[in-house]
Amino acid sequence: QKEVEQNSGPLSVPEGAIASLNCTYSDRGSQSFFWYRQYSGKSPELIMFIYSNGDKEDGRFTAQLNKASQYVSLLIRDSQPSDSATYLCAVYYAGNNRKLIWGLGTSLAVNP
Amino acid sequence: DTAVSQTPKYLVTQMGNDKSIKCEQNLGHDTMYWYKQDSKKFLKIMFSYNNKELIINETVPNRFSPKSPDKAHLNLHINSLELGDSAVYFCASSQDLAGGPPDTQYFGPGTRLTVL
Repeated sequence: QKEVEQNSGPLSVPEGAIASLNCTYSDRGSQSFFWYRQYSGKSPELIMFIYSNGDKEDGRFTAQLNKASQYVSLLIRDSQPSDSATYLCAVYYAGNNRKLIWGLGTSLAVNP
Repeated sequence: DTAVSQTPKYLVTQMGNDKSIKCEQNLGHDTMYWYKQDSKKFLKIMFSYNNKELIINETVPNRFSPKSPDKAHLNLHINSLELGDSAVYFCASSQDLAGGPPDTQYFGPGTRLTVL
């Protein structure tokens, strides 16, 4: 059973701080990793994807991937109240049944 | 322009009824999906179609039947609705390259189904 695990939170950080969201996955054959954001009552939207070990930066967001540890994280610098949402980690498994496996999501609250 | 649209947005119905949810995407994508998000916010894939062909069919009761009349549309028909079917159903689409990792999935606004 392929699994993606996230701490459900809520994670609470003050405005301007760094928020760190973590995700672990069970299958070493995983190839691609995605972070989606979902505001309450809305649909998920992509923030970032990462394929290679290391860091990938996009504005205030940095995705970090460590395939040896089967770990992917998302850092949000200078957190804003508008970043308050649920962050979903999704892991892509290739093979006969290509699909994304989703984590339960981490709820982030940025306090002004 | 709405990229992925779903109708209806809300659906309230009695147990035992049959209902359909429609999805359309105007992104020109080849792959479309149906997801179910339950009260615990777990997003679980139900079906995936690529160019009108079923490629993913998860362990979903056969009361759920997807239909793709063309690659821009993927509808979901549910027979004999049960209380446990209450959830938010999301349609999504992506442009997947054969043999490659998936492209970004674009989600519709969701259909909140309540079975009484």
